[in-house]
Amino acid sequence: NAGVTQTPKFQVLKTGQSMTLQCAQDMNHEYMSWYRQDPGMGLRLIHYSVGAGITDQGEVPNGYNVSRSTTEDFPLRLLSAAPSQTSVYFCASSPSGGNNQPQHFGDGTRLSIL
Amino acid sequence: GNSVTQMEGPVTLSEEAFLTINCTYTATGYPSLFWYVQYPGEGLQLLLKATKADDKGSNKGFEATYRKETTSFHLEKGSVQVSDSAVYFCALRDNNNDMRFGAGTRLTVKP
Repeated sequence: NAGVTQTPKFQVLKTGQSMTLQCAQDMNHEYMSWYRQDPGMGLRLIHYSVGAGITDQGEVPNGYNVSRSTTEDFPLRLLSAAPSQTSVYFCASSPSGGNNQPQHFGDGTRLSIL
Repeated sequence: GNSVTQMEGPVTLSEEAFLTINCTYTATGYPSLFWYVQYPGEGLQLLLKATKADDKGSNKGFEATYRKETTSFHLEKGSVQVSDSAVYFCALRDNNNDMRFGAGTRLTVKP
């Protein structure tokens, strides 16, 4: 019962490098989202998707791209990493169909930008 | 816009003490409210939820009641254990899939 799987768990990048954070879920959830977690700020929504082929911006989308070609996968791309993107990133999924659905979270990717 | 405010930590308690973590929210419409718990090195796990006014969510001895009149969803537990040490997040989700989290409250329970 894998749930939401994120890879890698840790990554160190240099400023200006690009990379993709992977997220996969095996629960057939329509809704998927990416958050960043910074000290004292809780979780902030970066991008989300309500189904394959559909993505939208959240609260802090600048510097990040997403795509949703399949129900299972929702990768997050950093186009040109900046030190301000040092954070812990969480992917989450839930069934759609109402606001009473809790989200299922992956274990996170800890990203450091030097 | 929607927002969640929860009491700042850290909170340090002795085992078997009573716990309250305050949470208030601002939202249009009728959001669902959640408490999540995060253990070190892990993602967030759902602790409890309430989907309408006056609902009480409960799990593992924790409780929270959806109070629309005071826009609050305070987390309580009558007797905490060392194993309850974690970071607790209050959150809301509205009908537009807008999900907002509080800043988190770190709880440490000492034996």
